[in-house]
Amino acid sequence: QSALTQPASVSGSPGQSITISCTGTSSDVGSSNLVSWYQQHPGKAPKVIIYEVTKRPSGVSNRFSGSKSGNTASLTISGLQTEDEADYYCCSFAGSSTLVFGGGTKLTVL
Amino acid sequence: EVQLVESGGGLVQPGGSLKLSCAASGFTFSDYWMSWVRQAPGKGLEWVAKIKTDGSEKYYVDSVKGRFTISRDNAKNSLYLQMNSLRAEDTALYYCARGGISHFASWGQGTLVIVSS
Repeated sequence: QSALTQPASVSGSPGQSITISCTGTSSDVGSSNLVSWYQQHPGKAPKVIIYEVTKRPSGVSNRFSGSKSGNTASLTISGLQTEDEADYYCCSFAGSSTLVFGGGTKLTVL
Repeated sequence: EVQLVESGGGLVQPGGSLKLSCAASGFTFSDYWMSWVRQAPGKGLEWVAKIKTDGSEKYYVDSVKGRFTISRDNAKNSLYLQMNSLRAEDTALYYCARGGISHFASWGQGTLVIVSS
């Protein structure tokens, strides 16, 4: 049950695109399509923005997209906006019916 | 509107116990897996435990096995987390979340647990 690996921070300018990676192992990300992503603004509860690798909940902007290759999942945010500045976490089903989160990535919109 | 409201947090000494509750509304509680997720101050998210719709299956992160017990009362639309033998490293904001298989679709605002002497 080791945490998935995410970059500690990423940054981008308004209008640009950024990608956040989430690296696990063949026991979690690599063997599961149950990867989800969460956005958390300071002092707020997390909010799901991507689930089952690529699906977007109703109401979430189509500027957010997810993908997966091997043991690494990715979140791409296109057309960066200032309100996208937040912490982002990935989460994966990890076998034995457990779940594991990534360490989180702080996105700064310059 | 889905609402999850946690309660029961507070200051407890190392080795002590605490029981968290989560009151659910706005959806058919008995249809969903439910989970507890925690976040230590200034740190990331950590899944703690999850429970099946009827309470027949329960799963835990290794660090709380044997100390924490997740339960639910579908008649009361409530989720619980009994925490025993608390340690300093259990200090965190504890979130109640709807889900536990695919994703966590809804979250409460959390209840803060501080383990300190």
